[in-house]
Amino acid sequence: GGIITQTPKFLIGQEGQKLTLKCQQNFNHDTMYWYRQDSGKGLRLIYYSITENDLQKGDLSEGYDASREKKSSFSLTVTSAQKNEMAVFLCASSIANQAPLFGEGTRLSVL
Amino acid sequence: QQQVRQSSQSLTVWEGETAILNCSYENSAFDYFPWYQQFPGEGPALLIAIRSVSDKKEDGRFTIFFNKREKNLSLHIKDSQPGDSATYFCAANTNAYKVIFGKGTHLHVLP
Repeated sequence: GGIITQTPKFLIGQEGQKLTLKCQQNFNHDTMYWYRQDSGKGLRLIYYSITENDLQKGDLSEGYDASREKKSSFSLTVTSAQKNEMAVFLCASSIANQAPLFGEGTRLSVL
Repeated sequence: QQQVRQSSQSLTVWEGETAILNCSYENSAFDYFPWYQQFPGEGPALLIAIRSVSDKKEDGRFTIFFNKREKNLSLHIKDSQPGDSATYFCAANTNAYKVIFGKGTHLHVLP
């Protein structure tokens, strides 16, 4: 079986800081995703990538950058952390037209 | 505009009862509907999924009933156990890659 590894598991940042979250998968899946999860709001799609070097914006892409350096990795950058922001960022991967499989998440707190 | 809507934010049932979690959607182009189960501190885990060509999908105690004409579906959890207490997300595909999630239903199974 495969696994999706997100690093770090916990991230504490300062207001205005640029923060980078990383994700690795060994399923050999073509498609990777970044979702943001806020309490009571479900999962909202930030970016997805259907192949290496591809990037597609989701519904919540403003304030974020992403990079698909190679097939197995997908990173997300918060370009300027917002004060008191708290959310969980979830990375996922899938093959076409199949349900994404998720990592454990990166929990972000901004002081 | 919420494309995938879960009708209950929270649902409480007694152990042994059937829990019914409802979901509706707006986009008639959606053709794949996965359900996820999430425990606190973990990423969502794929539970069961159905394609729009089917009206029922069963996997052990979990069954999806799908009504294409009414654009709704439901997840039935038979013989609910306290260990089933979790948040359940309904999701839908807009195309082969982009997956949209509902806000989730917190299920509490009382012993």
